[in-house]
Amino acid sequence: QQQVKQSPQSLIVQKGGISIINCAYENTAFDYFPWYQQFPGKGPALLIAIRPDVSEKKEGRFTISFNKSAKQFSLHIMDSQPGDSATYFCAARGTGNQFYFGTGTSLTVIP
Amino acid sequence: KAGVTQTPRYLIKTRGQQVTLSCSPISGHRSVSWYQQTPGQGLQFLFEYFSETQRNKGNFPGRFSGRQFSNSRSEMNVSTLELGDSALYLCASSFAGRNTGELFFGEGSRLTVL
Repeated sequence: QQQVKQSPQSLIVQKGGISIINCAYENTAFDYFPWYQQFPGKGPALLIAIRPDVSEKKEGRFTISFNKSAKQFSLHIMDSQPGDSATYFCAARGTGNQFYFGTGTSLTVIP
Repeated sequence: KAGVTQTPRYLIKTRGQQVTLSCSPISGHRSVSWYQQTPGQGLQFLFEYFSETQRNKGNFPGRFSGRQFSNSRSEMNVSTLELGDSALYLCASSFAGRNTGELFFGEGSRLTVL
C-alpha cells in the first residue's frame, strides 16, 4: 500500500513555464514533508521541506503548498529551466525516522 | 565535508547468492537508513539504525538484514538473492533529532541479479 501517492508520473514543461507535482497522504501522524530531487546516477538530494503547521514555503523558484485538511501537498517550480530536468520525489516522515516516498515524477524541461 | 559513501557502486550476482553492501555516513551522523529504489515503486524503506541498534524496519522479508558499527558505518546483507532483488540500494544518514529531518543520500549500490 502506497502511503504517499504522487502524480503525474512524468511531466514535460517549456523553459520558463511552471512545473507542478502533487502528492497526497493518508496518515495524519506524518510530521515532516520533504521533496527530493534526483539526477541520473546520483542519490536523491533534499530540495525543500515543510512541516504541517505551515501552509506554504518558498525557496527561490521552488514552493511547497500544503493543505492539511485535504492531506495534500504540492511542489511548484517557477520559471522552469532545463537544469531542473530530473526526477522529483515527495516524502512524508512517520514514526521513528521512517520516510514514505512517492513513486516519483520525471520532469523534462524543453529549451 | 565528505558525503555519504556507498560501496560497491555496481555489482552483479546470480540467484541464490548473497550480497553485502556498505555505507559510511557523514561524520557526526548517527542514524543510517537503507532504501530500495526500483522503477515505478519509488523508494521503499528497509531499516534504520541508530547507535548500533535497529530502530525501525520496513516490510521486507528476513533475507534482508543490516547492522551498524560503533563508528556509525553500516552494512546491509541480502541472502538467497532473487531476481526481484535487482534494484538500486540507497543509504541515507541523518542527525538523530526529530527537529532536523533531512536525509543525506549516497549515490547507491546498483545490484543486478541474474
